[in-house]
Amino acid sequence: EPEVTQTPSHQVTQMGQEVILRCVPISNHLYFYWYRQILGQKVEFLVSFYNNEISEKSEIFDDQFSVERPDGSNFTLKIRSTKLEDSAMYFCASSDRISDRGPEAFFGQGTRLTVV
Amino acid sequence: GENVEQHPSTLSVQEGDSAVIKCTYSDSASNYFPWYKQELGKGPQLIIDIRSNVGEKKDQRIAVTLNKTAKHFSLHITETQPEDSAVYFCAARTGFQKLVFGTGTRLLVSP
Repeated sequence: EPEVTQTPSHQVTQMGQEVILRCVPISNHLYFYWYRQILGQKVEFLVSFYNNEISEKSEIFDDQFSVERPDGSNFTLKIRSTKLEDSAMYFCASSDRISDRGPEAFFGQGTRLTVV
Repeated sequence: GENVEQHPSTLSVQEGDSAVIKCTYSDSASNYFPWYKQELGKGPQLIIDIRSNVGEKKDQRIAVTLNKTAKHFSLHITETQPEDSAVYFCAARTGFQKLVFGTGTRLLVSP
């Protein structure tokens, strides 16, 4: 069964450093998302991406964040200057289209980012 | 914007009992309501969903009901098993594609 894959599974970084989280969405999907989950809290939307541009973003997704689809398979989230409060589990998700069935978003296993 | 409330935050049941988790949403324009199961260290896994033009949907031991007028929807798990133990999140679709999640329910099924 096709799945969303994320690398690395765990990333530890120094405060102020840049990190890139990587995702390979399901191959025929067109919509891509990043969500994050701070430990013990709910999953929060960060950004959605379609047709090579951001279609929606939350107030969390400020100038330190950026997304990119550098080739036909990868989807990345870059955090430019990490802060302690960026420590969270980051989930990539993808869906194939907006349909009557709704955007069945399939989530990856997540990357645990720890900022020290 | 959309706000999704979920309760209870924790739910303990005996194996074989039923479990019910309830969510309310605020945006009457929301039209898609998925439920996700999250096991420890894993990503959310879609288990069932419902659209706003349907009142109830069932898949084996899992069912979801939607009351658009009251703006609430519920997850029902019958004949619970220990492997049902996980955190369950409801969500509502609002805007272009964004899912707004509830705060989660930790379900513990004791043998």
